[in-house]
Parts: sequence; structure tokens; C-alpha cells
Amino acid sequence: GESVGLHLPTLSVQEGDNSIINCAYSNSASDYFIWYKQESGKGPQFIIDIRSNMDKRQGQRVTVLLNKTVKHLSLQIAATQPGDSAVYFCAENFGNEKLTFGTGTRLTIIP
Amino acid sequence: GAVVSQHPSRVICKSGTSVKIECRSLDFQATTMFWYRQFPKQSLMLMATSNEGSKATYEQGVEKDKFLINHASLTLSTLTVTSAHPEDSSFYICIARWGGGGGGYTFGSGTRLTVV
Repeated sequence: GESVGLHLPTLSVQEGDNSIINCAYSNSASDYFIWYKQESGKGPQFIIDIRSNMDKRQGQRVTVLLNKTVKHLSLQIAATQPGDSAVYFCAENFGNEKLTFGTGTRLTIIP
Repeated sequence: GAVVSQHPSRVICKSGTSVKIECRSLDFQATTMFWYRQFPKQSLMLMATSNEGSKATYEQGVEKDKFLINHASLTLSTLTVTSAHPEDSSFYICIARWGGGGGGYTFGSGTRLTVV
């Protein structure tokens, strides 16, 4: 069945360094992917999305890479800041239906 | 654009009472609303999917008589937790689907429900 999972449950990065959060998915038919972050006690915040007809998309300080061959998704955050500390989730979708979310990776920025 | 307003953000209720959570799409028509629940340190789990004007489709294990979903219009969907119990304490969030093939998803801000 479908599943979305994250390789690393926790990640600590020095402030100013770049961070990479990875995600694996199993449904090769998934055509839409989202990354979002969730700070403690708050609701999820959309970061960036990508459709399966792309392999890279850039936003402000963030880049999402999609490798459909190995069914892998990654989120790169450049020049991390303390405000980037949060739990990051990836989610996949097929055919404009429900989003299936991964288990999350906690990113901690070390001052 | 594509903003979903979810209320309340926090609610504390007594066991046995009911709580209604509203999600309104402010500047678009939400053809589909997904309701998710998130327990501490876990990811979002889909509870049900609702389309405007039709009955919601519940995921396996979710009691439809306990979690009443109404999607009477393209701009409003509600989730009512009936006869709440402490184990219903959780973070509830709606996610609206908008547009067609080029559309996307918009997240509500979530509701922290605590049942005492």
C-alpha cells in the first residue's frame, strides 16, 4: 500500500549551515508532493510543493528535489536560522485525492 | 489567496459534551475538505473526506456517528466531536482541496481539543 516515510527522525544543524531532510515514498503513481513544517504547539505551515513532472523546485531558501526513479524526495534549507527549528513532514498525493503524510523529522538549529 | 480559517484554535470541553470545529475557505471554493487528526509526536492521520453536498467518506476505524462532518457549502465544512472523551483529545486540522488538475491544498491552522 501507500506509505511515506522519512529516513531520519532527528537532525541537528549548525546555524548558518545548510540542511537536507529526506523522504521516501512507495507509490510510484503519486504525482504531487508537499513539504510542511510544524513548530511546537502550532499548526502546520506550508513550505513548498512539487509535481511529478518536475524534479526540482526552488523557493525562498528552500529547494525540493524529486527523484522518481528511486521514489525519493528531499528538502534543502539554505543558511538555516533558529526559526527553522521545527518538525518537517512530507506528504504525497495521487490523483488529487487525500494527502498521505510521513512521520516527520525534527530539525534542531544549533546556535 | 486560498486561505482556510479554522476555529476555534483551542477548546477545552468536559467529557460527554460535543464540540464543533469550523473550517471556512475565505477566498476560494473548497470542493473537497479533508479532516485530519494528529496525536502527540505523530503525523497527521486522515479521518474523513467530505465533498460539498454529499456524505463524508470515513477512514477505517473512524466512527462516523462520533465525528460528524458537514460540508453544506463550498466555503464551509464542520467537524463535530460528539460525546467527547479524554481519548479524543488531539489536534484536528482541515485541509481544503481547491481547483482541478492545477489546483492545490490549503491547510487550516488546526484546533487543539482537550477533553477533561
